[in-house]
Amino acid sequence: GENVEQHPSTLSVQEGDSAVIKCTYSDSASNYFPWYKQELGKRPQLIIDIRSNVGEKKDQRIAVTLNKTAKHFSLHITETQPEDSAVYFCAARRYVSGGSYIPTFGRGTSLIVHP
Amino acid sequence: DSGVTQTPKHLITATGQRVTLRCSPRSGDLSVYWYQQSLDQGLQFLIQYYNGEERAKGNILERFSAQQFPDLHSELNLSSLELGDSALYFCASSVGQGGTGELFFGEGSRLTVL
Repeated sequence: GENVEQHPSTLSVQEGDSAVIKCTYSDSASNYFPWYKQELGKRPQLIIDIRSNVGEKKDQRIAVTLNKTAKHFSLHITETQPEDSAVYFCAARRYVSGGSYIPTFGRGTSLIVHP
Repeated sequence: DSGVTQTPKHLITATGQRVTLRCSPRSGDLSVYWYQQSLDQGLQFLIQYYNGEERAKGNILERFSAQQFPDLHSELNLSSLELGDSALYFCASSVGQGGTGELFFGEGSRLTVL
């Protein structure tokens, strides 16, 4: 099955700094890589995603890059703000038998942005 | 609001007991996924149902079972509970079988086993 490694487990930055979270995956058949943000006590919510035919995607202060050859993808947050503080999960989605696509999640990165 | 409803929000029970967690997916979504979130363990995939049928299984213990009913709501049954089963259990739904991308998560059911 798929294995997703995520680093670092905790990331502490000053407001205005950039933050980078990295993930690696094992299954070359994975073709979709979403990132979810989970604020304290809340549900995970999709913030950005990238498909395997794209190398980079940006949405305002957030960007994701994908290196299929190396099987790793990264989340970049620029000009961090205190409200960016949350746990971020990467995931790699692959096709499984029966017509289903299952995302496997990393263990999460707790991002703390200090004012 | 994601449109996914989970009940109960909190549940406290004793070891050896059995509980049932309930999930109603977003209107129109046919797939339901169950995930377990323990401290430092991220989101562990348990099981997926699509239109009433089991489609994929993850790291789900034999003491756990699930089903999806004709009205598409799903239940996760946890039996012979152990202390280590204490966790936040999330249900998520998607339109198809996950090929379209986004999963919509409910607020979760926090289970505490004493």
